[in-house]
Amino acid sequence: QEQLVESGGGLVKPGGSLRLSCAASGFSFSTYYMAWIRQAPGKGLETVSYISGSADTIDYAESVKGRFTISRDNAKRSLFLQMNSLRDDDTAVYFCARDWCSSTSCYDLWGRGALVTVSS
Amino acid sequence: QSVLTQPPSVSGAPGQRVTISCIGSNSNIGARYDVHWYQQLPGTAPRLLIYDNINRPSGVPARFSGSKSGTSASLAITGLQAEDEADYYCQSYDRSLSDVVFGGGTKLTVL
Repeated sequence: QEQLVESGGGLVKPGGSLRLSCAASGFSFSTYYMAWIRQAPGKGLETVSYISGSADTIDYAESVKGRFTISRDNAKRSLFLQMNSLRDDDTAVYFCARDWCSSTSCYDLWGRGALVTVSS
Repeated sequence: QSVLTQPPSVSGAPGQRVTISCIGSNSNIGARYDVHWYQQLPGTAPRLLIYDNINRPSGVPARFSGSKSGTSASLAITGLQAEDEADYYCQSYDRSLSDVVFGGGTKLTVL
């Protein structure tokens, strides 16, 4: 069964750091682009970052550039998001998602999400 | 302000047909980038409903259909059911932003 499971969310003070992990199972993880997509409370969806299967292509939303780092370990079938210098407006549920479409990116497999709360 | 504009809410009675619009521009939908649609039930992750403008992934009922024309796209739901009550998001790519973009979301209420 194809599955993504996030972990590592929690409460952190402004300026602090957190590392999210996403464990993949049931599919050929290394062949897919993967993304982190977040949703602030009561708000819409925002793509935070994405990474190619071989990790040679990476991009970030302007709002997190220089603060967040995406990475992956294909041997361990895992995706990561290192979040530094966290701000109040980073508070959101962070979803790990698989990019499935061959043309314009689309996300067909999602994790349940990890809640990140940035508050003093 | 989202790059893709959706109505904040739509509603319909069981059995009726509703449509949700997604209005973009010449830097995204009008630039021939595909549009995808997601359904998000309360407290759950989004689910891919329509991909590449008109296609349904396996398991998505035929009651859901997508279309695209010019700088806009639409999601239609026929035979509305109580279980369809959810938030719906459109998504595409914007070449000016060089980024994947989502609509602001539409809350569907089944009366």
